[in-house]
Amino acid sequence: QVQLQESGPGLVKPSQTLSLTCTVSGGSISSGSYYWSWIRQPAGKGLEWIGRIYTSGSTNYNPSLKSRVTISVDTSKNQFSLKLSSVTAADTAVYYCARQYCSSTSCYAAVGYWGQGTLVTVSS
Amino acid sequence: SYELTQPPSVSVSPGQTARITCSGDALPKQYAYWYQQKPGQAPVLVIYKDSERPSGIPERFSGSSSGTTVTLTISGVQAEDEADYYCQSADSTVVFGGGTKLTVL
Repeated sequence: QVQLQESGPGLVKPSQTLSLTCTVSGGSISSGSYYWSWIRQPAGKGLEWIGRIYTSGSTNYNPSLKSRVTISVDTSKNQFSLKLSSVTAADTAVYYCARQYCSSTSCYAAVGYWGQGTLVTVSS
Repeated sequence: SYELTQPPSVSVSPGQTARITCSGDALPKQYAYWYQQKPGQAPVLVIYKDSERPSGIPERFSGSSSGTTVTLTISGVQAEDEADYYCQSADSTVVFGGGTKLTVL
């Protein structure tokens, strides 16, 4: 059973870069062909997709965040990471890492596995 | 990018049927997915590919699609179904609906 765990600073100053890492256990991040995603949720609000990285390293980003986002993968550590630059208070949210959902026959553009989420607060 | 529109809230009595809609121009071309999120927890996928249920999801959860609208139906609603529900679709990017709070009266 795949498990994901987010880690990183819970407090980031405005204008700085938010950095989070997702550690994958229960399977190799490089086995199979999956999308690994970052999704966030401000308190009391809905889900916002940030972006995803394919096992091959190709990426897709939310157009509204694209200029500030970088997602990368480190297969040697079985991790993938998020960097969000020039943060403001509007970036305060619970950040989730996630893996694509696959049925017994196919994979889909949905999330099947979620981390527990980590709260990142942007404040001086 | 495109948008998915959901009603902010739906209320239903226990045992009744709840229907949550999600509208978007891309839905005729892309599959829709539905998630259930309870307070303090990560979302859980309850419907994929418009109408398929992942293993472990109760049969009372079903999905349907018609044109630019997809619908999540929960038959025989139980108190434990009270949660926020999000639709989602994707092309080269992923989009979530704004979410619907289901209240079980």
